[in-house]
Amino acid sequence: DQQVKQNSPSLSVQEGRISILNCDYTNSMFDYFLWYKKYPAEGPTFLISISSIKDKNEDGRFTVFLNKSAKHLSLHIVPSQPGDSAVYFCAASRAGNNRKLIWGLGTSLAVNP
Amino acid sequence: EAGVAQSPRYKIIEKRQSVAFWCNPISGHATLYWYQQILGQGPKLLIQFQNNGVVDDSQLPKDRFSAERLKGVDSTLKIQPAKLEDSAVYLCASSPGQFADTQYFGPGTRLTVL
Repeated sequence: DQQVKQNSPSLSVQEGRISILNCDYTNSMFDYFLWYKKYPAEGPTFLISISSIKDKNEDGRFTVFLNKSAKHLSLHIVPSQPGDSAVYFCAASRAGNNRKLIWGLGTSLAVNP
Repeated sequence: EAGVAQSPRYKIIEKRQSVAFWCNPISGHATLYWYQQILGQGPKLLIQFQNNGVVDDSQLPKDRFSAERLKGVDSTLKIQPAKLEDSAVYLCASSPGQFADTQYFGPGTRLTVL
């Protein structure tokens, strides 16, 4: 039972354009969401997070949007750069579960020069 | 600030052999996690320590996997005996407190079981 779903295994974008990575979840108890970026042969690196009390969080070129009614969040990267090419994981957690992170399968982003 | 350190980076063993991985978390981080990541999947939590106590080991295959956290700092994860399906990247992560959502990951150990 995949509680966090990233339905697009891969995405290709031109440098300078917007990258939009999507994530859906099924558990309405999730109240904290995170995006991690992973380069080959490295561990995941925290990118940005959002609490369920917000619908948007922005950090430089990265913005995460949360639509609680649709149980959907998205990561926008503007403008995309070749160095953004990596696998992006969406993760979610909830109170009362030791804040265990539930992970999606990841989306591989390729930003082409 | 030094990040999470793991060793070895790569390990190749034959099935039924034993293997151990080592992790040194970020200094001062109370919580330490071991994850298993199979190719094409997200990380799967194996065990979570709070200081040197186990908080969650519900997904640890206890018949073959064991882990300890010495004096609430370093940790080792052992597999004995290994199976082919244990081939994966083993990630160690740490966070400042038990309910800190942001986890900081080490580079991982890639295990290949032949």
